[in-house]
Amino acid sequence: DGGITQSPKYLFRKEGQNVTLSCEQNLNHDAMYWYRQDPGQGLRLIYYSQIVNDFQKGDIAEGYSVSREKKESFPLTVTSAQKNPTAFYLCASIPDRGSRTAEAFFGQGTRLTVV
Amino acid sequence: GDSVTQMEGPVTLSEEAFLTINCTYTATGYPSLFWYVQYPGEGLQLLLKATKADDKGSNKGFEATYRKETTSFHLEKGSVQVSDSAVYFCALYSSASKIIFGSGTRLSIRP
Repeated sequence: DGGITQSPKYLFRKEGQNVTLSCEQNLNHDAMYWYRQDPGQGLRLIYYSQIVNDFQKGDIAEGYSVSREKKESFPLTVTSAQKNPTAFYLCASIPDRGSRTAEAFFGQGTRLTVV
Repeated sequence: GDSVTQMEGPVTLSEEAFLTINCTYTATGYPSLFWYVQYPGEGLQLLLKATKADDKGSNKGFEATYRKETTSFHLEKGSVQVSDSAVYFCALYSSASKIIFGSGTRLSIRP
């Protein structure tokens, strides 16, 4: 089955640590996105990538980093510089970076908690 | 910049009631518009979409019409069910190749 896989589902981080959230898709989609969701709030864009080896900052990129070395993979690293990282993180993809009509496909999310 | 504003929640209705969730947008040009639904602990999934003015998207009894003149894309359903309880997000695909979401509306349906 094609889809987007995020791992792990739950992640605990100690203060001062970097952690990496995985996002893998086998849909052959060009564009991939990372969002953060806080309780009772909408989705805020962290980073997005339209093609391999290229990515852009979203609205809340500070304290996060990404890479796009392969089309199917778009990992997100939450660094120690992110002061309030506890949130639900969602990864999404779109088939064609030039398409403005295609729906986005989402992973099941990773819930990150700082302990 | 582009933005989406949707009705604040939570919204609580009785089963078989009529549902409206308001959504308005600000965007350059004529973006595609979407409604996504999120069930507890899960990612989002597409509910319906419309890609040009006056298009009506529909799915599972839900409908929304792309109104260019009022820059709106309100979600409606004639008779809600308990299984419709979820969080609903209005979204657009912006000219900067971003997907922009509204703040979400939590819907609870009482049996």
